[in-house]
Amino acid sequence: GAGVSQSPSNKVTEKGKDVELRCDPISGHTALYWYRQSLGQGLEFLIYFQGNSAPDKSGLPSDRFSAERTGGSVSTLTIQRTQQEDSAVYLCASSSRNEQFFGPGTRLTVL
Amino acid sequence: GESVGLHLPTLSVQEGDNSIINCAYSNSASDYFIWYKQESGKGPQFIIDIRSNMDKRQGQRVTVLLNKTVKHLSLQIAATQPGDSAVYFCAEKKGVKAAGNKLTFGGGTRVLVKP
Repeated sequence: GAGVSQSPSNKVTEKGKDVELRCDPISGHTALYWYRQSLGQGLEFLIYFQGNSAPDKSGLPSDRFSAERTGGSVSTLTIQRTQQEDSAVYLCASSSRNEQFFGPGTRLTVL
Repeated sequence: GESVGLHLPTLSVQEGDNSIINCAYSNSASDYFIWYKQESGKGPQFIIDIRSNMDKRQGQRVTVLLNKTVKHLSLQIAATQPGDSAVYFCAEKKGVKAAGNKLTFGGGTRVLVKP
């Protein structure tokens, strides 16, 4: 594909369940970012992968959040024991140098 | 520091008027800046960028101004159209050629275009 893709586009889950969100970056992009965006608010940085370097996890809000990037390509953001405050749009972006290209996001709703 | 989860200020503008969106950045070492536009239900999209060795750059109907002295960035949209209604984010980065440095996003401004 030409752009960043994310799946699922929408996810509804029950409080306490685990969820996995997937990001397929643009081929060849070495950097991958996860952001969270609550309704009507700005982008909240979560985690950043750059090549083979250790990821920058400084934005993860709690130890219930984790992410991995396999083979320098696809990334999975996992939220364990989801809470209602986790409800948001989760955006993934990739870049090769400067500009970040964003995916359409996954809208997560925790009931 | 990071701008995180801020409630968005709103700019209302009449169709056909010019819009000016402002952004204050925090890192004096930042040397690359981008403006993004985010329409409802979509991810942010690149509008225009500027390097710190410039103070002005023009695109199609958009102009970005950079004032490094006061660490201020602005986006001007000429003849604002209904399709310009969106949330606009500025982002900064240290090291234009350094892929290893992440972008830091500002809190965003919502632009509402009135017909």
